[in-house]
Amino acid sequence: QVQLVESGGGLVEPGGSLRLSCAASGFRFSDYSMSWIRQAPGKGLEWVSSMSSGESTKHYGDSVKGRFTISRDNAKNSLYLQMNSLRAEDTAVYFCARGQYYFEYWGQGNLVIVSS
Amino acid sequence: EIVMTQSPATLSVSPGERATLLCRASQSVSSNSAWYQQKPGQAPRLLIYSASTRATGIPARFSGSGSGTEFTLTISSLQSEDFAVYYCQQYNNWPLTFGQGTKVEIK
Repeated sequence: QVQLVESGGGLVEPGGSLRLSCAASGFRFSDYSMSWIRQAPGKGLEWVSSMSSGESTKHYGDSVKGRFTISRDNAKNSLYLQMNSLRAEDTAVYFCARGQYYFEYWGQGNLVIVSS
Repeated sequence: EIVMTQSPATLSVSPGERATLLCRASQSVSSNSAWYQQKPGQAPRLLIYSASTRATGIPARFSGSGSGTEFTLTISSLQSEDFAVYYCQQYNNWPLTFGQGTKVEIK
């Protein structure tokens, strides 16, 4: 069955960096677009970034553009999110999800806290 | 950016009753919309895509309709496991955007 497992979250100071990973299994990873979506504590869902299966197309939300970078390693069945210049408002649970437009499968989420 | 506005914010429904959730887009998104269910402490679950197509494994009591700027999620007969928060989402334009959510609670 499809499994997505995020890792790499934690506590980081404002201005710091963090790299999230998402390990995929149960499907042919290289065939699918993938995305990151986040949810601040007690708030709704916010789309962060998506990339195509062939890595040719990447999209970012306005709030993270220029600070976050999405990437993937199809040989390792993994998706990544490099987060730089982190701000308090980036504090959220970050979900990886299969799909570029709508999101068919989701990981369990990984908490990122940006605080001094 | 396309703004998705859901109503009501909270819907109180008795088990077995019908629930109707609304989502309005600030401009046309054609049929490029989806609905998700989220329970506390869990990841969202895809219910509906392309406005009216049920995702794999979703019970027939969930149905979606609409196009353009107005969308509806109907739960025909609420079961105990359906009490949750529901989000709509558009994928017609970048950036992708979600509604703020509708909480369906037990009356």
